[in-house]
Amino acid sequence: GESVGLHLPTLSVQEGDNSIINCAYSNSASDYFIWYKQESGKGPQFIIDIRSNMDKRQGQRVTVLLNKTVKHLSLQIAATQPGDSAVYFCAETGGGNKLTFGTGTQLKVEL
Amino acid sequence: DTGVSQDPRHKITKRGQNVTFRCDPISEHNRLYWYRQTLGQGPEFLTYFQNEAQLEKSRLLSDRFSAERPKGSFSTLEIQRTEQGDSAMYLCASSLGQGSTEAFFGQGTRLTVV
Repeated sequence: GESVGLHLPTLSVQEGDNSIINCAYSNSASDYFIWYKQESGKGPQFIIDIRSNMDKRQGQRVTVLLNKTVKHLSLQIAATQPGDSAVYFCAETGGGNKLTFGTGTQLKVEL
Repeated sequence: DTGVSQDPRHKITKRGQNVTFRCDPISEHNRLYWYRQTLGQGPEFLTYFQNEAQLEKSRLLSDRFSAERPKGSFSTLEIQRTEQGDSAMYLCASSLGQGSTEAFFGQGTRLTVV
């Protein structure tokens, strides 16, 4: 079936550095791609989305890039802070806006 | 409104027992979703409602699972004859509906079947 997967299970960065989290997807028919952040013991929290007809979208300290040619999605976090430590999931929307999630990348911010 | 609320936060049950979880979505949201999440994995879609209508069910939702949203507000997810493989975090999310990609998740109900 269609799937969304992540390249790296764990990413460690120094506080203040930029973080890049990558994701590969296989469903070319997805309308939107979305990044969620999940802290321990909490539900996922929406970060940013990008429509499939766009290739870049910026938010506050975050940028999402979409490369449809190679079916690749990335999340860039500028000036990573300790509060950014969490598991990050990429997801794509199917019919009804239900989400198909990947397995997640653990981001660890080192002081 | 403080967001999506789920109850209970934790449930330990013996194999074979029935359990029911409740989700209260954000009040103006007409879409409500249930997901299941196991350790180290992303959430997996189970089912969703548009108001009181259940529009889609995943293949993961066996006949032991049933979900309701009788008045288009809160929802319940029942698991009958629980099995150890049902142990997971059950997440509820809500959104405004068509055209809205931002789903708001509750903190989940962690089910442990012993």
